[in-house]
Amino acid sequence: EPEVTQTPSHQVTQMGQEVILRCVPISNHLYFYWYRQILGQKVEFLVSFYNNEISEKSEIFDDQFSVERPDGSNFTLKIRSTKLEDSAMYFCASSGGARGSYEQYFGPGTRLTVT
Amino acid sequence: AQSVAQPEDQVNVAEGNPLTVKCTYSVSGNPYLFWYVQYPNRGLQFLLKYITGDNLVKGSYGFEAEFNKSQTSFHLKKPSALVSDSALYFCAVRDFDNFNKFYFGSGTKLNVKP
Repeated sequence: EPEVTQTPSHQVTQMGQEVILRCVPISNHLYFYWYRQILGQKVEFLVSFYNNEISEKSEIFDDQFSVERPDGSNFTLKIRSTKLEDSAMYFCASSGGARGSYEQYFGPGTRLTVT
Repeated sequence: AQSVAQPEDQVNVAEGNPLTVKCTYSVSGNPYLFWYVQYPNRGLQFLLKYITGDNLVKGSYGFEAEFNKSQTSFHLKKPSALVSDSALYFCAVRDFDNFNKFYFGSGTKLNVKP
């Protein structure tokens, strides 16, 4: 069964450093998402991406965040200058259909620890 | 503003008994509602969704959910709980105006005891 993969599984970085979280969505999916989950809290929408551009973004997704689909398979989330409060689990997801009516398939997550 | 609420942080049920995990929503227009399950150290897995049609939606692993428009609820149910159902359950709703934006509830931890 196809699945979404994410690398690395755990990333430790120092405050102020840039990090890139990588995801490989399911190959025939068209919509891609990033979410974050701070330990013990709710899953928060960050951004959705379609047709090589951002479709929607939340208030959390400020100028320090960016997303890219550099080739036909990878989908990345870059955090330019990490802060302590960026420590969280980051999930990538993909979906095959339009207008939010299709279920999303989530990757296993990357745990980001900012020290 | 669109949102979902899961009023219970934790639900405890004995194996073999029916279970209900509650979710209420607030959204303008017709809601698109989803349930996901998260096992430890794993990503979320889709269980079921309501888009339109029958108010009772059947999903994976014997789960079902009932959409109730008057009560703005979408409770997850299962007639007979299994120990392996123990996990974290999230309700989610699509933003009515922004089709690729979703709101998740805070999650409910389901504990099924043998």
